[in-house]
Amino acid sequence: AQSVTQLGSHVSVSEGALVLLRCNYSSSVPPYLFWYVQYPNQGLQLLLKYTTGATLVKGINGFEAEFKKSETSFHLTKPSAHMSDAAEYFCAVSENQAGTALIFGKGTTLSVSS
Amino acid sequence: KAGVTQTPRYLIKTRGQQVTLSCSPISGHRSVSWYQQTPGQGLQFLFEYFSETQRNKGNFPGRFSGRQFSNSRSEMNVSTLELGDSALYLCASSLIGSAGYEQYFGPGTRLTVT
Repeated sequence: AQSVTQLGSHVSVSEGALVLLRCNYSSSVPPYLFWYVQYPNQGLQLLLKYTTGATLVKGINGFEAEFKKSETSFHLTKPSAHMSDAAEYFCAVSENQAGTALIFGKGTTLSVSS
Repeated sequence: KAGVTQTPRYLIKTRGQQVTLSCSPISGHRSVSWYQQTPGQGLQFLFEYFSETQRNKGNFPGRFSGRQFSNSRSEMNVSTLELGDSALYLCASSLIGSAGYEQYFGPGTRLTVT
């Protein structure tokens, strides 16, 4: 069965510092992987996705993630944090061809201090 | 293009009652998925509908049901409400067949069961 583990329920960084949010997955088939962001009282917004091809994926707002099959990881990074990045981030996996029926990790709350 | 809309946005029900939530997908999107978000269990997949047929189902009791209409609008129903059903219910639509594999989420319906 597929599962997603996000290490660290809360990550705090200073403005301008590197952001690293960790995600490991388990899947019996090549997975489709996603990172979503959720701001308070809002739905989820897709940051980036990996389906096939290049393992380094660039998303919106300067975020990127690298699919490492050997490590079953899909960590999210951003070189320089902004105050506006403070939100909750979810890693998700899908095993079906349409990329639906997502299995989510528990989420990581990112705090950014000035 | 209008985003995913969910109605109502907030709902208070009493234990034992039933509730129906509505979701209108983005125009042209034929897949609609439902997710439950709670502080304890996180984001959990309920079910997905495509062309009026349930295509995928999560691990929820039969009290949770859904349907999709010919215009792709979807409803989910929860019968015999329990306190543990209090949650944010998120609907997501996607354009199956595109290269995007993106699910677009609505703002959610906040259900409180008292």
